[in-house]
Amino acid sequence: DAKTTQPTSMDCAEGRAANLPCNHSTISGNEYVYWYRQIHPQGPQYIIHGLKNNETNEMASLIITEDRKSSTLILPHATLRDTAVYYCIVRGSNDYKLSFGAGTTVTVRA
Amino acid sequence: EPEVTQTPSHQVTQMGQEVILHCVPISNHLYFYWYRQILGQKVEFLVSFYNNEISEKSEIFDDQFSVERPDGSNFTLKIRSTKLEDSAMYFCASRYSGYPEAFFGQGTRLTVV
Repeated sequence: DAKTTQPTSMDCAEGRAANLPCNHSTISGNEYVYWYRQIHPQGPQYIIHGLKNNETNEMASLIITEDRKSSTLILPHATLRDTAVYYCIVRGSNDYKLSFGAGTTVTVRA
Repeated sequence: EPEVTQTPSHQVTQMGQEVILHCVPISNHLYFYWYRQILGQKVEFLVSFYNNEISEKSEIFDDQFSVERPDGSNFTLKIRSTKLEDSAMYFCASRYSGYPEAFFGQGTRLTVV
């Protein structure tokens, strides 16, 4: 499995964009980048995923570098409710499971 | 909005006892999963289930564990003889065929005493 590296924690000001980096230098061609978050004490929540193109949905944007070795999740206008642990996960198209790492603990401050 | 429902929210059991955790996945989903999260640790995959059989399981999912879809709506995780180290939050998840995102339930906190 390709592994990901994320910062342990980061702070963000409410109303500002939060940029969450993720390194996945060993990603292979058929593996997707997924982002989930976990707001304590709930279960993980899907945010977005991509293969090589940048993606945007109502929650966030995902920017993947051209060499696919890293990506950035962007929360455009962070709110206090975005305080959570954010997980960057690499998953093959035929994989059933999600392999969670430690993630990045994001704290949004007023 | 449809959601994955797990019951009970908290289960306390004595060591050595059998426990069954219940999940009702989203109705038209075809892939089902169990994960667990020991307090302060990362979310760990246990098992995936599709077409009435296990499609993949982790090393954690040993002979003490089993899963079942007894009817068209429920998906259960059974732990035959609980150990103290089975204390964790257990999350059920489901996914629709052709869609990548898995939807997680709110979890069952299992406490083995």
